Amino acid sequence: DIVMTQTPLSSPVTLGQPASISCRSSQSLVHSDGNTYLSWLQQRPGQPPRLLIYKISNRFSGVPDRFSGSGAGTDFTLKISRVEAEDVGVYYCMQETQFPYSFGQGTKLEIK
Amino acid sequence: QVQLQESGPGLVKPSETLSLTCAVSGYSISSGYYWGWIRQPPGKGLEWIGNIYHSGTTYYNPSLESRVTISVDTSKNQFSLKLSSVTASDTAVYYCARRDAKDLWAFDIWGQGTMVTVSS
Repeated sequence: DIVMTQTPLSSPVTLGQPASISCRSSQSLVHSDGNTYLSWLQQRPGQPPRLLIYKISNRFSGVPDRFSGSGAGTDFTLKISRVEAEDVGVYYCMQETQFPYSFGQGTKLEIK
Repeated sequence: QVQLQESGPGLVKPSETLSLTCAVSGYSISSGYYWGWIRQPPGKGLEWIGNIYHSGTTYYNPSLESRVTISVDTSKNQFSLKLSSVTASDTAVYYCARRDAKDLWAFDIWGQGTMVTVSS
């Protein structure tokens, strides 16, 4: 099984400042079809998860452009250019390259 | 607008079978996509349970495979989860979600989730 490891697990950020979350997989997420099925999800308090980024760097419909994803192979990053109050929550990376699909432990983003 | 809504008992006794249904509105299940179940124990992270394609093909997490059945009812436009021989460790919020299988290849639409407690 592929293990997803996120760092940090908690990230206090000042409003308007950038934030970055790292996600590392225990093996390459490049699928045999050439795509990399790495997504980022946001879970606000009391809400279901919400898709932010798919296939490493593609923003889902309606996601603000302050969110961006990057990476390749086993190392991936979610960046928020300027944190807003509504960004508070837990962020998960998820791999869907290989069964069973797996999630990172989650990174809690909070405002300083 | 596509919406998913989970339903089922909020309390299940140990050793019994947990049964949940996800009603889909705004889209016909038989038209395509994968449909999945994901759970989240209180205060913890997410765990993928399994997927089903509209044709009925299923994919399960090996950690749960011996106890899980996911099925689809296209006539009712819904899909279901059954988890047998439950224990307290199965206590969680259970989410159903749609997985795009054309472009995004990701879970793009989620239900609100339903809390299931396993207790006598």
